[in-house]
Amino acid sequence: DAGVIQSPRHEVTEMGQEVTLRCKPISGHDYLFWYRQTMMRGLELLIYFNNNVPIDDSGMPEDRFSAKMPNASFSTLKIQPSEPRDSAVYFCASSWTGPRADNEQFFGPGTRLTVL
Amino acid sequence: EDKVVQSPLSLVVHEGDTVTLNCSYEVTNFRSLLWYKQEKKAPTFLFMLTSSGIEKKSGRLSSILDKKELFSILNITATQTGDSAVYLCAVEYSGGSNYKLTFGKGTLLTVNP
Repeated sequence: DAGVIQSPRHEVTEMGQEVTLRCKPISGHDYLFWYRQTMMRGLELLIYFNNNVPIDDSGMPEDRFSAKMPNASFSTLKIQPSEPRDSAVYFCASSWTGPRADNEQFFGPGTRLTVL
Repeated sequence: EDKVVQSPLSLVVHEGDTVTLNCSYEVTNFRSLLWYKQEKKAPTFLFMLTSSGIEKKSGRLSSILDKKELFSILNITATQTGDSAVYLCAVEYSGGSNYKLTFGKGTLLTVNP
């Protein structure tokens, strides 16, 4: 398996533009997680899905952020409009059968977003 | 306030030294504590701890959890330059009916030859 795939790997955009980040989880994994990592705040869980259904989005910073999972092999995280403070590395991760202690999450390589 | 606090924030050692990284937490409905190693890209899983006093070991790395004092340590013996990375601690807990996972800010370990 190729692991979790994210695209793009790097994104530079201007303030106010819409940004869409994409993720393909490992085949067979039922759970998908979106994280954001910054120097100031560390790694933060934004939202996670189970069988394509959003379960907890309490980590999503504000209404400018939205995430979808239209099928088991694809998810998007959208920021509209983007702001400079959204600059961060966004990770997608997936796991088998649930966010339980014995289920290792496999992380993708991340998307480095820079909003000018 | 921060629910997961790691210390030190950074550490510089020489090859062959032994290091101890600390992670303290304060959450309700604790489920597990996880350690990750992050080099230049994505975090990779090291250990998952759920029970107090049971050491998990993988090669030169080991970790233990104290659920009474609410902390965990990660030990690395005979450090090598390849151990240089950010080590992240994360705590899994229940928030209502949902799963919560909070990471610490990490400890940056630099191992010099």
